[in-house]
Amino acid sequence: GEDVEQSLFLSVREGDSSVINCTYTDSSSTYLYWYKQEPGAGLQLLTYIFSNMDMKQDQRLTVLLNKKDKHLSLRIADTQTGDSAIYFCAERPSYGQNFVFGPGTRLSVLP
Amino acid sequence: EAGVAQSPRYKIIEKRQSVAFWCNPISGHATLYWYQQILGQGPKLLIQFQNNGVVDDSQLPKDRFSAERLKGVDSTLKIQPAKLEDSAVYLCASSLDYQPGRYEQYFGPGTRLTVT
Repeated sequence: GEDVEQSLFLSVREGDSSVINCTYTDSSSTYLYWYKQEPGAGLQLLTYIFSNMDMKQDQRLTVLLNKKDKHLSLRIADTQTGDSAIYFCAERPSYGQNFVFGPGTRLSVLP
Repeated sequence: EAGVAQSPRYKIIEKRQSVAFWCNPISGHATLYWYQQILGQGPKLLIQFQNNGVVDDSQLPKDRFSAERLKGVDSTLKIQPAKLEDSAVYLCASSLDYQPGRYEQYFGPGTRLTVT
């Protein structure tokens, strides 16, 4: 079955880079996603990557995908206090199947 | 553009009572999703509609949960009777379509349900 794992907490200093890691189990996953959830709000899609890509960069965000190890990471450059939130990794195992979310990583940005 | 609306934002009920949640998706979005998010966990899909038809309800506890989207726009999710383990945030999301990677899901703020 599908399972997505993440470390639950991460603390960084403002201005440093944050790296949030995720592992997934379904090798048929064709799309992998990162969502951000701020307190009291719904989830916001940050970025997604196709399984035939190794890297995707979007402004301060860099996504790295290692298909062999089934490992996905999200790097946030120059982390700001506004980046404090819970970050969810999600996989979509195959076309038409629905998202499986990880437990979320709570990112705390210290001044 | 207005986002996904949900009401109520908070609800406290006793076990064995019933409760209903309402969702209004973004105008023109054909696909609507209901998720259950238990504290400390990621969202789990309960049911997915394409217009007014059900695409996937494999994880919906059908003995107590029901959902409808009669006119292909608004949707309601009902729990009857509620159990303590139903305490969670219920998230509604919508997208233009459900093909992977092409259509972003937009989430509402959620309804926080507490069952005592």
